[in-house]
Amino acid sequence: DTAVSQTPKYLVTQMGNDKSIKCEQNLGHDTMYWYKQDSKKFLKIMFSYNNKELIINETVPNRFSPKSPDKAHLNLHINSLELGDSAVYFCASSGLPGLIKDTQYFGPGTRLTVL
Amino acid sequence: QQQVKQSPQSLIVQKGGISIINCAYENTAFDYFPWYQQFPGKGPALLIAIRPDVSEKKEGRFTISFNKSAKQFSLHIMDSQPGDSATYFCAATLSGGYQKVTFGIGTKLQVIP
Repeated sequence: DTAVSQTPKYLVTQMGNDKSIKCEQNLGHDTMYWYKQDSKKFLKIMFSYNNKELIINETVPNRFSPKSPDKAHLNLHINSLELGDSAVYFCASSGLPGLIKDTQYFGPGTRLTVL
Repeated sequence: QQQVKQSPQSLIVQKGGISIINCAYENTAFDYFPWYQQFPGKGPALLIAIRPDVSEKKEGRFTISFNKSAKQFSLHIMDSQPGDSATYFCAATLSGGYQKVTFGIGTKLQVIP
């Protein structure tokens, strides 16, 4: 009964490839997020969706494209992967529309390694 | 622009000691200050949170102290245990609308026996 799940947990790929990370939450939350955590553990928000609508889009290369087929799912597709994309990517969700200050529930993370 | 400054970046405390992590924020509109705990290989999880209308919040061995005038808040872990060894993130958010959470850079705590 995992609250926020991500697949895959590990992703190793070559530069230039395209890859996707999937996220699902079963908490009934309306808001979902993607965060990038670099090697120094810094957490940086990338995107946020509320009810399938993009509401936060930080300065992220347009090689990154989030997609939300429904409010329980938020996927991240990355085109033309670069070495600097290597990081741990976390999906998160929060409850009550419009109240991002509510608790964020994080997934287990996807460790992406670009060779 | 780092809107939430966290220190120290690493901390070593002996078992039974007090661990103290400090954070300072710039935006006086922030109105919710959570702390997240992250164990290796796991996602961050909410530990404790405070709103600026109170100066202190305690949950078990964990206490947040909040100083609104100084725009600072801190996490105190009393009787620190090896199982507390993790990375701790302070954070701050704005009220109203769809606002993002701004995280501090994290503090890696190691509690040694």
